[in-house]
Amino acid sequence: QSALTQPASVSGSPGQSITISCTGTSSDVGGYNYVSWYQQHPGKAPKLMIYDVSNRPSGVSNRFSGSKSGNTASLTISGLQAEDEADYYCSSYTSSSTPLVFGGGTKLTVL
Amino acid sequence: QVQLVQSGAEVKKPGASVKVSCKVSGYTLTELSMHWVRQAPGKGLEWMGGFDPEDGETIYAQKFQGRVTMTEDTSTDTAYMELSSLRSEDTAVYYCATDGGSGWTFRFDYWGQGTLVTVSS
Repeated sequence: QSALTQPASVSGSPGQSITISCTGTSSDVGGYNYVSWYQQHPGKAPKLMIYDVSNRPSGVSNRFSGSKSGNTASLTISGLQAEDEADYYCSSYTSSSTPLVFGGGTKLTVL
Repeated sequence: QVQLVQSGAEVKKPGASVKVSCKVSGYTLTELSMHWVRQAPGKGLEWMGGFDPEDGETIYAQKFQGRVTMTEDTSTDTAYMELSSLRSEDTAVYYCATDGGSGWTFRFDYWGQGTLVTVSS
């Protein structure tokens, strides 16, 4: 059981927008602005898409955005493209003895 | 630009140990806070541990305490992760990862290509 809860799957059609949620507690997501999002294509290493809740690394499309409300962080992908089909993982700093935790991952299908 | 190149796949028997390496280029290892993340087949990502520059120590996820050791050879800019008392549940791809800085910002901008460790009798 992962420390952060994500939906197992989401889907959308090309051009649409989708949002993936990442729910934690006040000890992780809700308590700190250290939420990151990763994209992972099959057989590949993860790629950082969002850090510190809403910041995009250089080179990441502005179609990807992040936000947080309370204990839930969200990743929104607008203008869905076929290449966005991948697994997405959130992570957060946590005040527990294991300071970094990941969500269980969400499989995005572009219909 | 940081580049991380890991050692090749390993097959180990239950109870054995495995040591995975991660060679850094583009930076020196002393300039980085290196971490290790694993992913079991068909499963999610799991942080194992890494260097915390605030404390100047390597910290490990509670789950792996006593079984994992992370070391660095600064003369060759190579980081190592050794996991002992292997069991079938340790079958996974192991990644080294860093944010590209000497501090730890709780994110990973750079990843190795991954090393598959298979534990099987």
